[in-house]
Amino acid sequence: SQQGEEDPQALSIQEGENATMNCSYKTSINNLQWYRQNSGRGLVHLILIRSNEREKHSGRLRVTLDTSKKSSSLLITASRAADTASYFCATVASGTYKYIFGTGTRLKVLA
Amino acid sequence: NAGVTQTPKFQVLKTGQSMTLQCAQDMNHNSMYWYRQDPGMGLRLIYYSASEGTTDKGEVPNGYNVSRLNKREFSLRLESAAPSQTSVYFCASSGLAGQETQYFGPGTRLLVL
Repeated sequence: SQQGEEDPQALSIQEGENATMNCSYKTSINNLQWYRQNSGRGLVHLILIRSNEREKHSGRLRVTLDTSKKSSSLLITASRAADTASYFCATVASGTYKYIFGTGTRLKVLA
Repeated sequence: NAGVTQTPKFQVLKTGQSMTLQCAQDMNHNSMYWYRQDPGMGLRLIYYSASEGTTDKGEVPNGYNVSRLNKREFSLRLESAAPSQTSVYFCASSGLAGQETQYFGPGTRLLVL
């Protein structure tokens, strides 16, 4: 079964707006990672946040982690058409080496 | 520096045929992974190798076998392909298993008739 569940499943916004997507998971984790997948391509890593971290930034990306609620959010600010893609969270449960992916959020940014 | 490479890019099999998917990485990573992705779904872990010489089952190992040939190469074998194995297969590698970023290959599209 999937460890992470993203919400919403699909999101459509105008260029320049912010996009927020959420990930919930079920067990204690070592870290949580966000990936982007353009249609038909492999996944590209965006950000890794460890269980003892609460927030990380990378360019226009901001990731938060709330281990008490077992949830994370990815914020993309000032979105661009090129941000159109599917976004996945992946968690590594404590004591394991397995990356478990969620079902993804499909983001469409309209020019 | 090619990163993670996969061969073939696309394959059509008949039910019952066998094949091996090849994966290689040139980043000196310790751990390697095989995933499958079905339409509209996230990735599901088939097998992984946390370090050279070890392999372990993931979420969906049935119908597959793997070989960690050396530090660079990790192959996935379908002994008797079934239509349910129609999917896109991704190989990935990372430094320390479970601790670091994963780098993905471009994928192999497999169709089993």
